[in-house]
Amino acid sequence: KQEVTQIPAALSVPEGENLVLNCSFTDSAIYNLQWFRQDPGKGLTSLLLIQSSQREQTSGRLNASLDKSSGRSTLYIAASQPGDSATYLCAVDRGSTLGRLYFGRGTQLTVWP
Amino acid sequence: NAGVTQTPKFQVLKTGQSMTLQCAQDMNHEYMSWYRQDPGMGLRLIHYSVGAGITDQGEVPNGYNVSRSTTEDFPLRLLSAAPSQTSVYFCASNSHGGNYGYTFGSGTRLTVV
Repeated sequence: KQEVTQIPAALSVPEGENLVLNCSFTDSAIYNLQWFRQDPGKGLTSLLLIQSSQREQTSGRLNASLDKSSGRSTLYIAASQPGDSATYLCAVDRGSTLGRLYFGRGTQLTVWP
Repeated sequence: NAGVTQTPKFQVLKTGQSMTLQCAQDMNHEYMSWYRQDPGMGLRLIHYSVGAGITDQGEVPNGYNVSRSTTEDFPLRLLSAAPSQTSVYFCASNSHGGNYGYTFGSGTRLTVV
């Protein structure tokens, strides 16, 4: 069974810091890995999708990397801002079980001014 | 595009009542799925579907029923609501071999009293 773990569970940093959020998964036979953002009381917003054949994806100040062989992904946030405060979720799309995602429990990020 | 639409956004039920949570997508996606999100538990899969007429159980299917008669709609039925089903419910969709990842609805917040 695919298990997804995110470390740390919570992170509180001052504005301007560069951050790394970690995600690990137990079964390397994934199809895609997707990072989401969730604001309190809101839905999930997709940030980045990395296909299994890719090593990284970038969007603005966000960069996500994928190492399938080691079962790891990192989300790098450059020059953090208070508006980045949210919960970040990592999810994998397992190739052998199509149609569903396996989620980590998320990293709750607080960026203070 | 409307994306994934969930209705209602909020609902209060009495124990023992039944109801249907609606989910519709207009992207012609084959895959649709239902998750529930509870504090400290992350997102857990209830049921999912890889196409019209095909459904399967996730990790927490008890007390819920689904059917997929069309590509667009994937309703979730609570047969006899229990307080343990108080949660936030999210519907998601994706296409087979999709390069854009999963799209989530904005959620239904359900309280069972």
